Amino acid sequence: DTAVSQTPKYLVTQMGNDKSIKCEQNLGHDTMYWYKQDSKKFLKIMFSYNNKELIINETVPNRFSPKSPDKAHLNLHINSLELGDSAVYFCASSPSSPRELFFGEGSRLTVL
Amino acid sequence: GDSVTQMEGPVTLSEEAFLTINCTYTATGYPSLFWYVQYPGEGLQLLLKATKADDKGSNKGFEATYRKETTSFHLEKGSVQVSDSAVYFCALSSSSGNTPLVFGKGTRLSVIA
Repeated sequence: DTAVSQTPKYLVTQMGNDKSIKCEQNLGHDTMYWYKQDSKKFLKIMFSYNNKELIINETVPNRFSPKSPDKAHLNLHINSLELGDSAVYFCASSPSSPRELFFGEGSRLTVL
Repeated sequence: GDSVTQMEGPVTLSEEAFLTINCTYTATGYPSLFWYVQYPGEGLQLLLKATKADDKGSNKGFEATYRKETTSFHLEKGSVQVSDSAVYFCALSSSSGNTPLVFGKGTRLSVIA
């Protein structure tokens, strides 16, 4: 069983479209995250949820909206996609302590 | 704020060479320290960790020692293999609050036969 799973793994779309990436974890963790990894492999935190509550919202355009229906799921919806949104998006979860991250396999988004 | 600095790559080594990837950190309190590895086309996975000063984390032949006096957590392996080719990330977890892991910029390692 995959601990942190995200879908889709690949997403190719046109500028201006709206898309969603889903994430689920079966580890029983309270905290989930979305990270963005650019072409240079830099990892940047976008959002963090703890028990369905948003606790971290870094400087991310408000076209990006996370949604956590329950503590095992954290989805990412992106409106009006732009070329610069092309990246690999990683979902992760962690226990409360130590804050070790468990990552999904990533969703590669390509905006044309 | 907390930060992690790791040596820039890429690092290219021959098989069986000795590997060191330097990592230093800036943090208040007593953070936990991690090394993550990302193989091509995959997500990050935990390689090893250390949660207090002088702890040594080890896994798959890799080691790193939490040195508080030098604020370092250098990754070492005595004899690398082609299968170790990946991007390696040093990271720290603050000892307080809900702050997420802080990652270094990653070091790409290529091992050639």
